[in-house]
Amino acid sequence: GIQVEQSPPDLILQEGANSTLRCNFSDSVNNLQWFHQNPWGQLINLFYIPSGTKQNGRLSATTVATERYSLLYISSSQTTDSGVYFCAVTSRGGADGLTFGKGTHLIIQP
Amino acid sequence: DAGVIQSPRHEVTEMGQEVTLRCKLISGHNSLFWYRQTMMRGLELLIYFNNNVPIDDSGMPEDRFSAKMPNASFSTLKIQPSEPRDSAVYFCASSLQGSSNQPQHFGDGTRLSIL
Repeated sequence: GIQVEQSPPDLILQEGANSTLRCNFSDSVNNLQWFHQNPWGQLINLFYIPSGTKQNGRLSATTVATERYSLLYISSSQTTDSGVYFCAVTSRGGADGLTFGKGTHLIIQP
Repeated sequence: DAGVIQSPRHEVTEMGQEVTLRCKLISGHNSLFWYRQTMMRGLELLIYFNNNVPIDDSGMPEDRFSAKMPNASFSTLKIQPSEPRDSAVYFCASSLQGSSNQPQHFGDGTRLSIL
């Protein structure tokens, strides 16, 4: 099946810093989603972005489908951004269930 | 609009007991997914349904696990008998599958502990 690799696995930043999280995938995708899992365990939809660029406030994401990667940008980090960020995909021509990466654990220090 | 609703939020039970997890889809959605999250294996798909029909159950661990959709808006995941290794967070997600893929929306999960 499709493989999803996220980097870095861990990231510690000071409040106000910017960060870039990366997701590489091994095959063409129909669906790519970024999630934030907060300290209460909830999976929050950030972006549905199988291709192109989207922005939502301090967050933006870009997927270059032809090169099989996606980037999540967080600007002016806040402590509430802490948590685990997951990239998940469904492969083109494959089943519809999402395959998740292992996540990036982000800690924003005040 | 209400999101995906899961119940219970937490369940603690003894080994050997039957466990039933419940999920209500977002109104109008026609695809339903069950996922499990553990420290060892991360987030993994267990089973998914499209228009009430199970499409892929290859992720279901073993015969002790079963999932149903008794109607278009509701699903259950049962474990019988439960074992300590079933302890995990179980998520349900729904989406609207049509001519193009749509995002999946997740419930808040059920944290299951088997003693």
